[in-house]
Amino acid sequence: EIVLTQSPATLSLSPGERATLSCRASQSVSSYLSWYQQKPGQAPRLLIYDASNRATGIPARFSGSGSGTDFTLTISSLEPEDFAVYYCQQRNNWPPLTFGGGTKVEIK
Amino acid sequence: EVQLVESGGGLVQPGGSRRLSCAASGFTFSSYWMSWVRQAPGKGLEWVANIKQDGSQKYYVDSVKGRFTISRDNAKNSLYLQMNSLRAEDTAVYYCARGAYNWNYWGQGTLVTVSS
Repeated sequence: EIVLTQSPATLSLSPGERATLSCRASQSVSSYLSWYQQKPGQAPRLLIYDASNRATGIPARFSGSGSGTDFTLTISSLEPEDFAVYYCQQRNNWPPLTFGGGTKVEIK
Repeated sequence: EVQLVESGGGLVQPGGSRRLSCAASGFTFSSYWMSWVRQAPGKGLEWVANIKQDGSQKYYVDSVKGRFTISRDNAKNSLYLQMNSLRAEDTAVYYCARGAYNWNYWGQGTLVTVSS
């Protein structure tokens, strides 16, 4: 099973700042990594798939990069609605499909 | 508009059973893999199971193998999760999602609580 480790667990930033979230895989997942955003009481929302492709309707301030074992989700300038929990998820070697533990982006 | 609506959650005793349903609309259900993903209270996301368009392939996370069964009825545009031998650690919000992975459509979730 591929283990995904996200860091940091919590990121405290102000609106307008740049957010950089990390996801590290226990073995290569090629480019088969996705990112999801989840707000309290809501279902997750797909942001990025296959490491760097924005899902339909996702703003350009969200970008993904990386391949192999190290991946990054960048939010170029935080908007108030971006404060949420973010999860990475791999599909290179499944089953099982696995998620990281999440990074909470909170208002500083 | 794509809609996924789960139902069937509730309180169940340890060792009991529950069947979850997911009603799909707004897309050609029979053309898509479908999945179940769960989230324990205050915890992260966990993929549970998925099923191919015609039901010929099904995959499960190890922790539910032999206890949970995913199925679908394409004539009724519905996805199901039969959960048997439930344990306290199965307590979670269960989401259905469209696709095998890269889930861009999710339901609102249904809460299953396993407790005596």
